[in-house]
Amino acid sequence: AQSVTQLGSHVSVSEGALVLLRCNYSSSVPPYLFWYVQYPNQGLQLLLKYTTGATLVKGINGFEAEFKKSETSFHLTKPSAHMSDAAEYFCAVSANNAGKMLTFGGGTRLMVKP
Amino acid sequence: NAGVTQTPKFRILKIGQSMTLQCTQDMNHNYMYWYRQDPGMGLKLIYYSVGAGITDKGEVPNGYNVSRSTTEDFPLRLELAAPSQTSVYFCASRTTGVSLEAFFGQGTRLTVV
Repeated sequence: AQSVTQLGSHVSVSEGALVLLRCNYSSSVPPYLFWYVQYPNQGLQLLLKYTTGATLVKGINGFEAEFKKSETSFHLTKPSAHMSDAAEYFCAVSANNAGKMLTFGGGTRLMVKP
Repeated sequence: NAGVTQTPKFRILKIGQSMTLQCTQDMNHNYMYWYRQDPGMGLKLIYYSVGAGITDKGEVPNGYNVSRSTTEDFPLRLELAAPSQTSVYFCASRTTGVSLEAFFGQGTRLTVV
């Protein structure tokens, strides 16, 4: 069984400030972890993913996330928020390469203030 | 590249009506999924398929049916629509290769009145 918890359904930051979106997972086998972004009235797009190897992964638009096994976390960060980052962000987990199920968290809506 | 195509984009149904949401992908992906998205609830898996002729239930399958007669198509059938099925529905497909990225359609916004 696997599950994802995203702390904070809404996060508000000022333009230029650090973005931190939290994701904790549970999985009975080594996980593959993903962050997706959804802009209004659109489908989901992959931001970044962790499968194996380096625990700090970089994605598009300056985002990065670090896999911390001991903390069962995969938090998403960006050093400096831009207005265009305003969107909903979803963390997802899959149970390694054999996993068929892709399980999503509840989502975090990021608002960026000018 | 078309990717994952869903039709229709919007639909209003009356209680008790039925309809089929269409989903087609042109990436030759084995895995396909149907999710529903409700405000603040994230995406809940309705059904998924690991290949033509193989389907399985997800977290919230009640009130829905699926079929997978070809690799490309994965339609979702709603029988006897209920207000609780008002939601945004997303179809996704995924490779079994090293990429593991899931590609999503644009969604179908369904309202049952």
